[in-house]
This record gives sequence, structure tokens and C-alpha cells, in this order.
Amino acid sequence: AQSVAQPEDQVNVAEGNPLTVKCTYSVSGNPYLFWYVQYPNRGLQFLLKYITGDNLVKGSYGFEAEFNKSQTSFHLKKPSALVSDSALYFCAVLPLGYSTLTFGKGTMLLVSP
Amino acid sequence: DTAVSQTPKYLVTQMGNDKSIKCEQNLGHDTMYWYKQDSKKFLKIMFSYNNKELIINETVPNRFSPKSPDKAHLNLHINSLELGDSAVYFCASSQGQLNTEAFFGQGTRLTVV
Repeated sequence: AQSVAQPEDQVNVAEGNPLTVKCTYSVSGNPYLFWYVQYPNRGLQFLLKYITGDNLVKGSYGFEAEFNKSQTSFHLKKPSALVSDSALYFCAVLPLGYSTLTFGKGTMLLVSP
Repeated sequence: DTAVSQTPKYLVTQMGNDKSIKCEQNLGHDTMYWYKQDSKKFLKIMFSYNNKELIINETVPNRFSPKSPDKAHLNLHINSLELGDSAVYFCASSQGQLNTEAFFGQGTRLTVV
């Protein structure tokens, strides 16, 4: 069975510092990988996805993610955090042969001024 | 214009009642979904429809019945509401089932008292 792990419930970072939100997955084959962000009282918004090709994927709002097949990880990164980045971040996988996303439990990112 | 819209945004009702949540997307997508987000923010797929046909029906009580009158609409009807049904319900849509990002509505917060 496929699964997604986001080991941190919360990540705290100061504005201007780099941020990393971790994600590892356990699926058979090569999955499609996604990051979504949820702002308070809002639905999820797509940030970026990895399908194939370059392991470094660039997405919305200056975010990027690095696919590491050997470590089965897909960590979300940003070089310089903004207070407005504070939100709940979800990693998701779409295994081959499946038609719906499996989400991680989410990581709350708090960026302090 | 809102891409995926759900109504109502908030719904408070008593145990045993029957209620419906409506969802409409104006993106021309052919696949729509219902997700449930519990109090711990965990997201789980409930149903997936492709071109008005049920594709995915996860382990959901049969008190929950989705209805898709056309591919732009996917409504969720819930019979005999229980306290445990309290959650935020998200509608989403995508073009095709694979390899594409999903667009989410803002959610319906259902509270059963």
C-alpha cells in the first residue's frame, strides 16, 4: 500500500532564512509527487509536481522541491522564507495505476518576522 | 470567477438530519472528487467521478451518496448525520485522472450537534 510521511508536525523558521519541509513516500514503482498548500479556512492550492526528468522542480511562490529516488524523498524548499508563507503544507503521491492522490498528514509552517 | 465552488461554506445541523453539499467547477474538467479533512487536518479521498461516472468509492458509509448530474457538478448527500461526520469536506476537480494537479474548493465545514 502506498503511504506518505511528513515527519514534522510543525516547522518554525525566521523570515529571510531558508526553509525545508520534509516528505518521504513508500510506493511501488515511480510515483507522481505533489506539494499543496492550505491557508487558513481555504482549500488546497497546488504548488508543484514531479513527474519525470530533472530532480529539482520549481513551483509557485518561489518554492522548489527535490526528488531523491534513492531516499524516496521529495522535500519542499525555499531559499528565503516570508511571513506570508505560513500555512499548512501537504505532500501527496499518485502511484502508477492509481487515480487519486494520497496525502501526507500535513506540516504547519510558521515563519516569524 | 471561482474555479471550484462549494455551498454552503458552513453547515451546522443536528444528529439524524439529512443534508447536502453542492459543488460546481467551471474549469471544464472531467474528473471531480470529494475529500474529507478531519480535526487533525488529515485528508482522505471519499469519491472520484470521471465524466459523471463513479470511479473511486473508498470505505465510506453508505449514508454518503454522491450525485453527478453533469461533469461540472458533484454533490454530496449525507443521510442520518452522526457526530463523527463533523469535518471539513472539500470538493476538487482535475482534467483527467493522472498526472495533473487538482483544484480544490474552499471547503464546507460540517458540524453535527
